[in-house]
Amino acid sequence: DGGITQSPKYLFRKEGQNVTLSCEQNLNHDAMYWYRQDPGQGLRLIYYSQIVNDFQKGDIAEGYSVSREKKESFPLTVTSAQKNPTAFYLCASSPTSGGAGELFFGEGSRLTVL
Amino acid sequence: GNSVTQMEGPVTLSEEAFLTINCTYTATGYPSLFWYVQYPGEGLQLLLKATKADDKGSNKGFEATYRKETTSFHLEKGSVQVSDSAVYFCALSSWGAQKLVFGQGTRLTINP
Repeated sequence: DGGITQSPKYLFRKEGQNVTLSCEQNLNHDAMYWYRQDPGQGLRLIYYSQIVNDFQKGDIAEGYSVSREKKESFPLTVTSAQKNPTAFYLCASSPTSGGAGELFFGEGSRLTVL
Repeated sequence: GNSVTQMEGPVTLSEEAFLTINCTYTATGYPSLFWYVQYPGEGLQLLLKATKADDKGSNKGFEATYRKETTSFHLEKGSVQVSDSAVYFCALSSWGAQKLVFGQGTRLTINP
């Protein structure tokens, strides 16, 4: 079945360590997104990519990095510079690159910093 | 800039009650409007959408009408079930904006 796969579902990290969250889609979508969700808050956009080898910062990009070397993959690295990385991270894709249409979401990755 | 304001939660109802979750927006041009639902521990799923004024989106007994004159897209359901317990997000997109703007979400709990 087509969809978005995020891994790992749960991840624990010690302070000072970088961690990479995987996001893979087989929907042939051009656009991919990373959102952060904190308890009781909405979704905040971290990074997005409209096309391979190109990406833009979202509203809270500090302390994060991404790459888009393949159309189907958009990994997110949470670096040690991110002050409060414990959160639920959601990856999404969209078939529309000229403007955001419907988003398709993965099931999320929950990161906990120990 | 574009923004979405949702009714604050949490909202708690009894089974078979009528549900309204308010959503208003600010946007340039003619945005598309969406309602997403998030069940516990999962990602978001599209519930319904409307792409132009006066359109009504509907799915699983939920409805929302795109009201340009009041800049609103309120979510309604006539008779809620326990299985409707989730967090609901209103969102909008504008052509050329390249990203969706989400409201803060409304947690809905339905008691049997």
